[in-house]
Amino acid sequence: KQEVTQIPAALSVPEGENLVLNCSFTDSAIYNLQWFRQDPGKGLTSLLLIQSSQREQTSGRLNASLDKSSGRSTLYIAASQPGDSATYLCAVLNDYKLSFGAGTTVTVRA
Amino acid sequence: SQTIHQWPATLVQPVGSPLSLECTVEGTSNPNLYWYRQAAGRGLQLLFYSVGIGQISSEVPQNLSASRPQDRQFILSSKKLLLSDSGFYLCAWREGYNSPLHFGNGTRLTVT
Repeated sequence: KQEVTQIPAALSVPEGENLVLNCSFTDSAIYNLQWFRQDPGKGLTSLLLIQSSQREQTSGRLNASLDKSSGRSTLYIAASQPGDSATYLCAVLNDYKLSFGAGTTVTVRA
Repeated sequence: SQTIHQWPATLVQPVGSPLSLECTVEGTSNPNLYWYRQAAGRGLQLLFYSVGIGQISSEVPQNLSASRPQDRQFILSSKKLLLSDSGFYLCAWREGYNSPLHFGNGTRLTVT
């Protein structure tokens, strides 16, 4: 059974600092990995999707890397802003199912 | 462009009452459809998924059921709600196996 872990569970940084969010998974036979953002009381918004054959994916200030062999992914958010405050979740795809981590709750202080 | 609609946004139901949550996707055909539940302070739990009309796979053998009566419609049901059914229910879809998963805005269910 796939286990997805996100550490730390919460993170607080001053505005302008770069954010580094970690995701690890136990079964490296994944098809892809996806990062999401969730605002309180809302659904999940897709940020980045990395296919298993890719090493990284970028969108604006966001960059996600994938090391499938070691079962790790990292989401980097450059020059954080208060609007980046949210919970960030990673999910890995095995078969037709995504397994989610519990998320990292980020607070960016103005 | 594709959009997903999920309703209602909030629901308060007594124990033992039935449940019906609906989700529809526009702008695509034959999507993969999913129902997730997110309990307070916990991760997302996959409840059901469907890769085609009339085809449902269950991950949670509880008092919930799902149906896909039309290609882009996914319904989550229960005949008798339990207190433990309270939570945030999320519908999601994707076009294909390696496509991004997109979520609806969710339904906050409180069973009293």
